[in-house]
Amino acid sequence: DVKVTQSSRYLVKRTGEKVFLECVQDMDHENMFWYRQDPGLGLRLIYFSYDVKMKEKGDIPEGYSVSREKKERFSLILESASTNQTSMYLCASNTPYNEQFFGPGTRLTVL
Amino acid sequence: DAKTTQPTSMDCAEGRAANLPCNHSTISGNEYVYWYRQIHSQGPQYIIHGLKNNETNEMASLIITEDRKSSTLILPHATLRDTAVYYCILAVNNFNKFYFGSGTKLNVKP
Repeated sequence: DVKVTQSSRYLVKRTGEKVFLECVQDMDHENMFWYRQDPGLGLRLIYFSYDVKMKEKGDIPEGYSVSREKKERFSLILESASTNQTSMYLCASNTPYNEQFFGPGTRLTVL
Repeated sequence: DAKTTQPTSMDCAEGRAANLPCNHSTISGNEYVYWYRQIHSQGPQYIIHGLKNNETNEMASLIITEDRKSSTLILPHATLRDTAVYYCILAVNNFNKFYFGSGTKLNVKP
């Protein structure tokens, strides 16, 4: 079974803090993704990576950065968290046939 | 830009077939139709995908019209556990960006 794990299910941070969200997949997938999901807005792509050290901006990259130092790990970084980054964050990886496997999500609250 | 149109919500009786429609009138020749679902508080789950031909797997069947401008996901015997939001997505097979629209909230009722 493909497994995508995320470091935390729930996270509470303060405005201005640097936040790291970690994602690990165990199926040797090339491609990994970070989305955020908000009520009424659906899932929106923040960043994706198609190889180690490679990254591409998605639709809403502002305020975020990413790191892919190893194939299995894709990190999302909020350099200075703000309240409008309170959201559910979902990580995914996909097969060569474009089947995406999602992690359980991290619900981040920024106070 | 999701490029697909789905009804906001649908109801289905438990044990009956659930037929979820999706319109994608501007689909390109190299775009596949993917279906995912998201059960409350979980990440989305892949269901099925297809290009032109109808497809079936252990979860569902996908019917794509001949002109490819619309498709229908069929859950043959819906159960309460199939209550979820179902997303219809277009993507080129070797290009990995997905656009998730609002999806259809399927309510399976006893």
